[in-house]
Amino acid sequence: QVQLVQSGAEVKKPGASVKVSCKASGHSFTTYYIHWVRQAPGQELEWMGIINASGGSTSYAQQFQGRLTMTRDTSTSTVYMELSGLRSEDAALYYCAREFVVGAHSAFDIWGQGTTVTVS
Amino acid sequence: DIQMTQSPSSLSASVGDRVTITCRASHPIFSYLNWYQQKPGEAPKLLIYASSRLQSGAPSRFSGRGSGTEFTLTISSLQPDDVATYFCQQSYNTPHTFGQGTKLEIK
Repeated sequence: QVQLVQSGAEVKKPGASVKVSCKASGHSFTTYYIHWVRQAPGQELEWMGIINASGGSTSYAQQFQGRLTMTRDTSTSTVYMELSGLRSEDAALYYCAREFVVGAHSAFDIWGQGTTVTVS
Repeated sequence: DIQMTQSPSSLSASVGDRVTITCRASHPIFSYLNWYQQKPGEAPKLLIYASSRLQSGAPSRFSGRGSGTEFTLTISSLQPDDVATYFCQQSYNTPHTFGQGTKLEIK
């Protein structure tokens, strides 16, 4: 079964960093790109960035530049998202999602279960 | 960044009704538009990609259409299991922005 399993909930103080993991199983890890999306309570989904699970190249949304780092470990089929300088507005549910490509089109077909990050 | 605007923000309809949700892009995105369904406490689920292509496993009562800046998601006959929030997303460029969501309820 193809799935992404994320690490558990985190509680962090303002200014701290958080690192969330996303472990893939059931598919060829290095074939895909993985995105991170977050959702503050009652808010819309916010795209954060993307990592190529094969080569490790990344691209981040402008609002996270300098605070966001995505990495991957091919030996464990795991992707990591680290956000530093946490502020209250970073409190959200963080999702990893697999990019599904058909021709020139892409979408997110497999999602992790989400990781709650509380900043307090 | 491309802004995605959905309407309505909430919707109440009866079982069996035909329901349509609209998504507008601030710039043309051809057919690079996806639709997701999110039920409370769950991760989003892909319903439609490339504007009109039904994702494997998604019920055939869901359909999408549109190109350029205006898109629609239609449920041909609303079922109780369709209670959820629906999001559109553009995949034309990064950041892959989402609409604000449409919350669908049963009357």
